[in-house]
Amino acid sequence: QVQLQESGPGLVKPSETLSLTCTVSGGSITRYSWNWIRQPPGQGLEWIGYAYYSGSTNYNPSFKSRVSMSIDTSKNQFSLKLTSVTAADTAVYYCARDSSDWLHLFDYWGQGTLVTVSS
Amino acid sequence: QSALTQPRSVSGSPGQSVTISCTGTSSDVGGYNYVSWYQQHPGKVPKLMIYDVSKRPSGVPGRFSGSKSGNTASLTISGLQAEDEADYYCCSYAGTYTSVFGGGTKLTVL
Repeated sequence: QVQLQESGPGLVKPSETLSLTCTVSGGSITRYSWNWIRQPPGQGLEWIGYAYYSGSTNYNPSFKSRVSMSIDTSKNQFSLKLTSVTAADTAVYYCARDSSDWLHLFDYWGQGTLVTVSS
Repeated sequence: QSALTQPRSVSGSPGQSVTISCTGTSSDVGGYNYVSWYQQHPGKVPKLMIYDVSKRPSGVPGRFSGSKSGNTASLTISGLQAEDEADYYCCSYAGTYTSVFGGGTKLTVL
């Protein structure tokens, strides 16, 4: 059974960089795309972007200038960095696997990690 | 990239059917048969209920069905049960290797 687990600081100061890692167990990361999705408190889901095992990435245009993702197949991990954060970036951040080639079949999710942006 | 449009809330009585709509554009919902639906109970992780517009993953009850017409996708839950009360989100491939979610719909079972 594939499992995903997010890790990283739960508190980030405004203007700093949010960094999260997702560790995948029970399956290889060398297939499918690996995504980050966030959910601000009381709000809906927002797709941030994906990293593919080959190293290719793509992002939601809304984040494009601030976001970067990477993947480490040797560790079965992928990561998210979001720069210049503000209070609006406070959210539960999920990592999720997309089992299609079409970025809509998110069949495995991490438990989510709340990141609060505050000084 | 704008969020797909969903009604904020819908409701139904046990045993009834409810339908949740998800409206996008020809660049997302209308352009591809890659629409999915997620169920999220409070404080829980979203769960995939429908993918490729109308396919159900293993383990999802047959009461859940999906369809699409033009730029609008729909999730229908028949034989409503108390445990179906949750938030529902649609998601669509949006071209150029991007994805977009709907704003979410709160389903209340009366």
